[in-house]
Amino acid sequence: EDQVTQSPEALRLQEGESSSLNCSYTVSGLRGLFWYRQDPGKGPEFLFTLYSAGEEKEKERLKATLTKKESFLHITAPKPEDSATYLCAVYPYSSASKIIFGSGTRLSIRP
Amino acid sequence: KAGVTQTPRYLIKTRGQQVTLSCSPISGHRSVSWYQQTPGQGLQFLFEYFSETQRNKGNFPGRFSGRQFSNSRSEMNVSTLELGDSALYLCASSSDRASPLHFGNGTRLTVT
Repeated sequence: EDQVTQSPEALRLQEGESSSLNCSYTVSGLRGLFWYRQDPGKGPEFLFTLYSAGEEKEKERLKATLTKKESFLHITAPKPEDSATYLCAVYPYSSASKIIFGSGTRLSIRP
Repeated sequence: KAGVTQTPRYLIKTRGQQVTLSCSPISGHRSVSWYQQTPGQGLQFLFEYFSETQRNKGNFPGRFSGRQFSNSRSEMNVSTLELGDSALYLCASSSDRASPLHFGNGTRLTVT
């Protein structure tokens, strides 16, 4: 069965303290992996798409990487405005393929 | 380019009633997906429509249904509401299957 697991469930950092969020996946084949940011009361906002192992994407303080079994979202020198829930989603190859979301990591950055 | 628009933003309904939620996708996007989000279950897939046809369906009871119109706008309906249907309902559109989903800000449904 296709599965996506995110860790940690919650992460509290001091402003400027870099860290990484993990997204582990088990799928029969991967069409693509997506990262989203969600603020309270809003819909998820698309950040990155990764398609193959070794691929990396960057946007401001965020960098996403992909291996054959997991993806990392690296946050460098975060600011309080980076506080949000970060969601990982995978789009597997299968006869009934649909995008599967992880449960997210709640990130809190203290000033 | 306008984003995904969902109406209404908030709804309060009584158990046993039915409700219809509306979604206007990004212009040019023909795929519309619906998700239910709750604190305990996260984002759960409801269904996906493409060119007015349901292409995929999640594991929800038949009380949950949807449709898509020729202009790609979509509606979802929940009949005989239960307390457990209280959730944020999110609509997302994409240009094709390999492309990322773009979400609206959802409809917050409260069932009392």
